Parts: sequence; C-alpha cells; structure tokens
Amino acid sequence: AQSVTQLGSHVSVSEGALVLLRCNYSSSVPPYLFWYVQYPNQGLQLLLKYTSAATLVKGINGFEAEFKKSETSFHLTKPSAHMSDAAEYFCAVSGGGSTLGRLYFGRGTQLTVWP
Amino acid sequence: KAGVTQTPRYLIKTRGQQVTLSCSPISGHRSVSWYQQTPGQGLQFLFEYFSETQRNKGNFPGRFSGRQFSNSRSEMNVSTLELGDSALYLCASSSLTSGRAGTDTQYFGPGTRLTVL
Repeated sequence: AQSVTQLGSHVSVSEGALVLLRCNYSSSVPPYLFWYVQYPNQGLQLLLKYTSAATLVKGINGFEAEFKKSETSFHLTKPSAHMSDAAEYFCAVSGGGSTLGRLYFGRGTQLTVWP
Repeated sequence: KAGVTQTPRYLIKTRGQQVTLSCSPISGHRSVSWYQQTPGQGLQFLFEYFSETQRNKGNFPGRFSGRQFSNSRSEMNVSTLELGDSALYLCASSSLTSGRAGTDTQYFGPGTRLTVL
C-alpha cells in the first residue's frame, strides 16, 4: 500500500532563507512521487515529479527535490525563499496495480515566509 | 490550452439535498479523477474515470457517485447531503500518454467549494 508522511504541518522561514519541506513515503511498488502547491482558494499546481529518470528533480519556481530510496524520502527544497512562496505544499505518491490513477497525498505543509 | 474547469465554484446546500458537480478536463485528456479536501481528513481520493468507465474508487459511501461522458467531461453526485460533506471537491485530468503507468501528471481544477448547512 502507498502512503505519504509530511513532517511538520507548519514551516516558517524568513525571506531569502532556505526552504526545506520533508516528505517520506511508503510504497509497495516503485514509487512515482509528486509535489504540488496550493494557493488560497485555488486548486493544486504541480511543482515537480520523480519518475525514476534522475534522483534530483528540478521543478518550477526554483524548487527541487531529491529522491533517496534508502531513506524513503523526497524532500522539497528551495535555496532562497520568496514571499510569493507562501502556500500549502503537498507531497503525493502514485498508486500502482489496482489503484493506478490514484494519488495518495500527505497532510500538507503550510509554508509561511516572513519579510 | 485551457486548464481543467469546474462548475460551479461555490455551492450552498442543506442537509438531505443532493448536488451535482461538473468537471471539464483539459482537451485530449481521457482520465478524470475526483478528490475531496477537508481540514480534518486532508485530500482523499473519490474515484477515477477513463473512457467512461470507473477504474478506481476510494473509500466513500454509496451516496457519492460519478460518471464520465464520451467527451471526457465528468460529473459527480452526492445524494442525501450530510454536514460532513462540506469540503472542497477537486477534479484532476490526465492524458495517460507517458507510456509508463502512474507517471502521468494529474492537472487540477480550481475546485468546487460545497457548504452543507
């Protein structure tokens, strides 16, 4: 079965500081992993995805994530936070087998960026 | 290309009523998935349709149903509404063209905010 755990429901950083949002997964099949961002009153927007091509994945808006199989992690980072990064971030793993087409989401991490 | 559209954006209903939500996927996308988002339970999968067939269903009661039309547009219906059905309902579409199952990106619409009074 697939599941995702996001450590820290709230993360606060200063503008210009490193952003690190943690995600650990559990998967009974080779995992395909996604990070989405949600701004208030909007749907989810894909930041990046891992599909086994490369362990370091670069996404939009300067975000990147590294897949570490030994640690079952897929943490999201950004070297320098911007005020516009304030949003909720969701890590997700794709279902396999009979649950194909389904995404399993973590509970989300609310990122606050202080000026 | 236009994104995923959902109508209506906001809906207020009372307990016991039924509601139908609509989703138009990105042109060319044949897979449509529905998710419920609440503060208490987070994002939960409702069901997924591909070529008018439900391929996957989440753990929701039978009051939640859906369908997909030949043009890939999808509707979901909730009957006998309960207070706990108040949520943001998100629709996502996928092209399923990557050739590797599970790797295709799901593109989300803005959601329908349902409030049950």
